[in-house]
Formats: sequence, C-alpha cells, structure tokens
Amino acid sequence: AQSVTQPDIHITVSEGASLELRCNYSYGATPYLFWYVQSPGQGLQLLLKYFSGDTLVQGIKGFEAEFKRSQSSFNLRKPSVHWSDAAEYFCAVGALGNAGNMLTFGGGTRLMVKP
Amino acid sequence: DVKVTQSSRYLVKRTGEKVFLECVQDMDHENMFWYRQDPGLGLRLIYFSYDVKMKEKGDIPEGYSVSREKKERFSLILESASTNQTSMYLCASSSPVPKGSGARETQYFGPGTRLLVL
Repeated sequence: AQSVTQPDIHITVSEGASLELRCNYSYGATPYLFWYVQSPGQGLQLLLKYFSGDTLVQGIKGFEAEFKRSQSSFNLRKPSVHWSDAAEYFCAVGALGNAGNMLTFGGGTRLMVKP
Repeated sequence: DVKVTQSSRYLVKRTGEKVFLECVQDMDHENMFWYRQDPGLGLRLIYFSYDVKMKEKGDIPEGYSVSREKKERFSLILESASTNQTSMYLCASSSPVPKGSGARETQYFGPGTRLLVL
C-alpha cells in the first residue's frame, strides 16, 4: 500500500524568503503525485501534479515541485513567499483504483508567514 | 470551473443523531469521494463511488454509509453520530480521462463541512 510522509508539521518563514516543503512517498509502481493547498476554512485547491515527463513541475501561485525517484521525494518550492501563502499544504500520491486515481494524503504541513 | 458544493459549512449534532452530509458537483463527474480530515492525519478516505448506485469502502468506513442516487449528488450518512466523528468532512469528484492519454484523474474538492458532535 502507498503512503506519504510530510516530516514538517509546522513551518514558519519570513515574507520574501524561499520555501521548501518536504514530501516523501512510498509506492511500488510509477507514482502520480499531487500538492494541494488549503486556506483557512476552505477546501483543497490543486497546486500542481506530476504524472510523467519533466521531473520539475510548475504549478499555480508561483509554486514548483521536483520529483526525485531515487529519493522517493516530491518537494514543493517557492522562491519568495507572500503572506497570502499562509495555509496548510498536503502532498498526495495516486494509485489506480475503481474510481480512477485513488489518493493517499500526507499529514499536512502548516505554513506560517512572518511579516 | 469545476464546482463541488457541500450543503453545510458547520454542523452541530448530538450523540446518537442521524446526520446527513450532502455533496453536489456540477461537472458530470463519474467519481465522487468522501474524506475526513483530522489534525496531523491529513485526509482519510471514508467511501467513494464510481457510478450511480455504486459505492465502495475506503480506509475508514466504520460508522458511516453513503448514498448515490443521482450522478451529481453523493451523500454521507452517520447512522448514529458519536463524539469521535467530530471532524472536517471533505467531498471530492473526478472524471475518468481517456485511456492511453497518459494522464490521470484530478480530484476537485468542496469547501468542507465542519461537524461537531456533542
């Protein structure tokens, strides 16, 4: 069975600083990987996804993620954080099931941004 | 834009009550999902459905049931609510992609229902 680990429960960065959120997955086949963001009181919004091809994936809001098969990682990055990026971020791995892509989520990383 | 709506943003119920959480999507998606979200645990799949009247158990189905009578609507039912079912409940939907396209479905989420069981 697949699993996802987000080692950092909370991260605080200063506005304008760079950001990297870590995600490690365990899956026996080719992984399909996702990052979602959840702003306070909101549902989940898709930031980016990796299915195949270029291992550096660009997403919305200036985010990018890099798939590294050798490290079983899919870390999320942003070069300069804005206060509006404060939210909870979830990494997920997808496996094919009866309803298409069945997602397994990590525990989430809560990002706080200092002014 | 895909729109997934959930009937309530906040609900307060008493132990033993029967609770209905409703989810509606407007994109004619075949697949629908119910998750619960708890701090530190991320999202865990309760039930999913890949067609009308079809349902399958997810990772944590105990204490829950579901109903899908129409394609656009997927209901989560707590037959007898308990305090350990206090949580955030998220609905999602997705649609199959063409075979051989190399792509995989993306799930779209509703805003969530925060349920408190007293």
